[in-house]
Amino acid sequence: KNEVEQSPQNLTAQEGEFITINCSYSVGISALHWLQQHPGGGIVSLFMLSSGKKKHGRLIATINIQEKHSSLHITASHPRDSAVYICAVSQGGSEKLVFGKGTKLTVNP
Amino acid sequence: DAGVTQSPTHLIKTRGQQVTLRCSPKSGHDTVSWYQQALGQGPQFIFQYYEEEERQRGNFPDRFSGHQFPNYSSELNVNALLLGDSALYLCASIDAGTSPFGEQFFGPGTRLTVL
Repeated sequence: KNEVEQSPQNLTAQEGEFITINCSYSVGISALHWLQQHPGGGIVSLFMLSSGKKKHGRLIATINIQEKHSSLHITASHPRDSAVYICAVSQGGSEKLVFGKGTKLTVNP
Repeated sequence: DAGVTQSPTHLIKTRGQQVTLRCSPKSGHDTVSWYQQALGQGPQFIFQYYEEEERQRGNFPDRFSGHQFPNYSSELNVNALLLGDSALYLCASIDAGTSPFGEQFFGPGTRLTVL
């Protein structure tokens, strides 16, 4: 079993829909990261959080430390949101990231 | 600020050859991590360099080696290439002063194809 599990693996939505991507982890962590990867490979950090909730524009990330679960929400989704969204955790003071396999999001106009 | 840069962008090699990939970290960042991302998978940690030394290593064979220079730039070397080494190789830099919660900045990656 992977240390970081994401669901769903693939997600197709219509423009304007509310999107939720889930991440569960089985190890102790110092922080959880949500990242975005576009075709071609470049990875951009969206959020880094260790508790509670963070919001940036239409993106919201939450984490429940007790349940070892995090969610990434996208409100009013847009075709430009189409990308792979990856959850990763850093453990116990180490900056090494352990990644999930990613969720491929396609938003259709 | 140029951010994290990697070279080359793409590379094609044949089995048994050796390859060197390069990474320049974001300005002010002193820690560099390397990751391998196979098609359809999440990145896997290879190793991390700090103060010119390998600080941490993932589950990769000794064919994978690295180096960090005094200007914090880094190289990843892979010897005796196998078909399975075909992947996107990502470099990420961190400002160790913000450890352990430092945000990681990723380069665009080098796509290695082994034929």
